[in-house]
Amino acid sequence: GNSVTQMEGPVTLSEEAFLTINCTYTATGYPSLFWYVQYPGEGLQLLLKATKADDKGSNKGFEATYRKETTSFHLEKGSVQVSDSAVYFCALIFTGGGNKLTFGTGTQLKVEL
Amino acid sequence: DAGVIQSPRHEVTEMGQEVTLRCKPISGHNSLFWYRQTMMRGLELLIYFNNNVPIDDSGMPEDRFSAKMPNASFSTLKIQPSEPRDSAVYFCASRFKNGRFGGGSFTGELFFGEGSRLTVL
Repeated sequence: GNSVTQMEGPVTLSEEAFLTINCTYTATGYPSLFWYVQYPGEGLQLLLKATKADDKGSNKGFEATYRKETTSFHLEKGSVQVSDSAVYFCALIFTGGGNKLTFGTGTQLKVEL
Repeated sequence: DAGVIQSPRHEVTEMGQEVTLRCKPISGHNSLFWYRQTMMRGLELLIYFNNNVPIDDSGMPEDRFSAKMPNASFSTLKIQPSEPRDSAVYFCASRFKNGRFGGGSFTGELFFGEGSRLTVL
C-alpha cells in the first residue's frame, strides 16, 4: 500500500537556522505530494504541493522538490522564524482515482530565539 | 468563505455518555472527511463521504462510532457510549471530490476545521 515516512521530531532550531524535514514515500505510480502545517490549537492547512516529478512547491519561504528517483519530498527553509514553530505533515494522493490523502506521522518543529 | 466549521470546540464528558460532534463543510465542497488525532496514533482517517454517501469507513474504530451526512452542508460523528480512550482531537475536513472543480486543474487541497477536543473522564 501507499505510505509516507517522515523524520521523527521534535526538531529544535535557533531562529535563522536552515531547516530540512525529510519525507519519503512508497507508492505504486506517481502520486501528488503535499506538505501541510498545523499550528498550535489549529487544524492542518496546506503549505505547498507538487503534482509531478521535478516540480518544486514553494510558499512562505518553504520549498520542496518532487524527486521521483529517490521517492522523496524534503521540506526546506533557509531561515526559520519562531512563528514557524508547528507540526509539519507530508502527504500523498493519487490524482484521478481514490480520494484519500495518506499522511505521514508529522514532525514537530520548535524554533527558539 | 467561513471555512470548515466544527462544534463543539471542546467537550468534557464522563465515560458511558453519548458524544455528538458536528461539522459544516465549505459550501460547494462535495467530499467530507473525519479524522482523529492523538499523540500515540497521530492522524487517523475515520471515514469519508462523497456527495453525502459514506465511501470508506474502514478507519472507524468500533461500532460505538457512527457518522452521518444527511445533506451537503452538515455531518455528525457520534460516539455511544464514550470511553476514556476516545479522548482525542477530532477534525473534519472538506474538498471538491478528486480535487477538481469545474474541470479545473487538480489541487488536492483538503480544508480542515479547527477541531473538536474531546476528553472522556
